[in-house]
Amino acid sequence: EDKVVQSPLSLVVHEGDTVTLNCSYEVTNFRSLLWYKQEKKAPTFLFMLTSSGIEKKSGRLSSILDKKELFSILNITATQTGDSAIYLCAAGKLVFGQGTRLTINP
Amino acid sequence: GAGVSQSPSNKVTEKGKDVELRCDPISGHTALYWYRQSLGQGLEFLIYFQGNSAPDKSGLPSDRFSAERTGGSVSTLTIQRTQQEDSAVYLCASSLARSFTDTQYFGPGTRLTVL
Repeated sequence: EDKVVQSPLSLVVHEGDTVTLNCSYEVTNFRSLLWYKQEKKAPTFLFMLTSSGIEKKSGRLSSILDKKELFSILNITATQTGDSAIYLCAAGKLVFGQGTRLTINP
Repeated sequence: GAGVSQSPSNKVTEKGKDVELRCDPISGHTALYWYRQSLGQGLEFLIYFQGNSAPDKSGLPSDRFSAERTGGSVSTLTIQRTQQEDSAVYLCASSLARSFTDTQYFGPGTRLTVL
């Protein structure tokens, strides 16, 4: 059975801190791992990772995939209150993890 | 406990036919969402049910799409006169919360292919 597990489930930090969110997966027919930010109706797409060891970066967010150890991390540096959201990862046939609820306190 | 389940897992249909996709949310979850993900696209919101309130249908792409939720539990998404651009993975999610910002638990999805 395909499985995606995220940790931590919840994280509260202060503005300016750096956070690392984890996603581990066990899926058949792996093709890519997706990260989403969920604030409103639909999660918004952040990154798609297909190759090991290649960091993808967008502003203060970055993500990397380790296909040998079957995990990915999402880093957010210099966090802002607007980063507060649930961060989802999905792998395989769109199997979603349970999400990490990130709260940034001013 | 049991998670969100969807059926069928795969559906292949011919253009012009109607299809019904089913979602069984987690027991006790009052909110139910339908999304779709087309190849290479992000998740697209379709419709949202919350308790006995009127559903938020703002994401439905055309009047060929409709959804209902019977007894506050099982939901069916119906696509009439399917078109090839309807091909996508249709995902259902449920949550306990009364807003969009609480954790949504996703089902395995239904992969719809319209020939």
